[in-house]
Amino acid sequence: NAGVTQTPKFRVLKTGQSMTLLCAQDMNHEYMYWYRQDPGMGLRLIHYSVGEGTTAKGEVPDGYNVSRLKKQNFLLGLESAAPSQTSVYFCASSRPGQGDTGELFFGEGSRLTVL
Amino acid sequence: AQSVTQLGSHVSVSEGALVLLRCNYSSSVPPYLFWYVQYPNQGLQLLLKYTSAATLVKGINGFEAEFKKSETSFHLTKPSAHMSDAAEYFCAVTPSGAGSYQLTFGKGTKLSVIP
Repeated sequence: NAGVTQTPKFRVLKTGQSMTLLCAQDMNHEYMYWYRQDPGMGLRLIHYSVGEGTTAKGEVPDGYNVSRLKKQNFLLGLESAAPSQTSVYFCASSRPGQGDTGELFFGEGSRLTVL
Repeated sequence: AQSVTQLGSHVSVSEGALVLLRCNYSSSVPPYLFWYVQYPNQGLQLLLKYTSAATLVKGINGFEAEFKKSETSFHLTKPSAHMSDAAEYFCAVTPSGAGSYQLTFGKGTKLSVIP
């Protein structure tokens, strides 16, 4: 059981370039999330999705776009990368409804460097 | 709105000593509380959670935490530190019944274990 898989794991971009991070989960979870992790800042929510075809903004959405065309996939896009977007990005998923006690299942992270 | 404060961004303990990682929360409604652990170069994984049942919660790897409403605290403890406990620990809170997409993380405490 793979759980949550992120690709790529590492990427270096130049300022102004674009890229897409892919997250795939095989647990049939409804909810999916993208977080960024920066030293001393903890995890901050970028965007999230509560189901196929729906997305919503989190705490730090500027400069990012997302899509959830299939239930198992959640894409994070950077249209014009900036050095401030250098970070480690984590995808997570969870199960909603009465059983949702807030437990998230995380991928292993994608380290992005913008030069 | 809710928030989490983790006291101490870095804690060092000797192998075999007590581990105490502090977490205080703020929530306008009864909360669910979590501790997640992140080992180097990995994603976060759930250590334990409080969801309004027993106030003393036991997790994996010998960790436990006690929910104290009067102190708005959810400190993480382990009687005897092991080298393998070296990791970063995150406390998180969500309003009970709100679901995982309202999870708020603390900034993390990095635990070092000295042999």
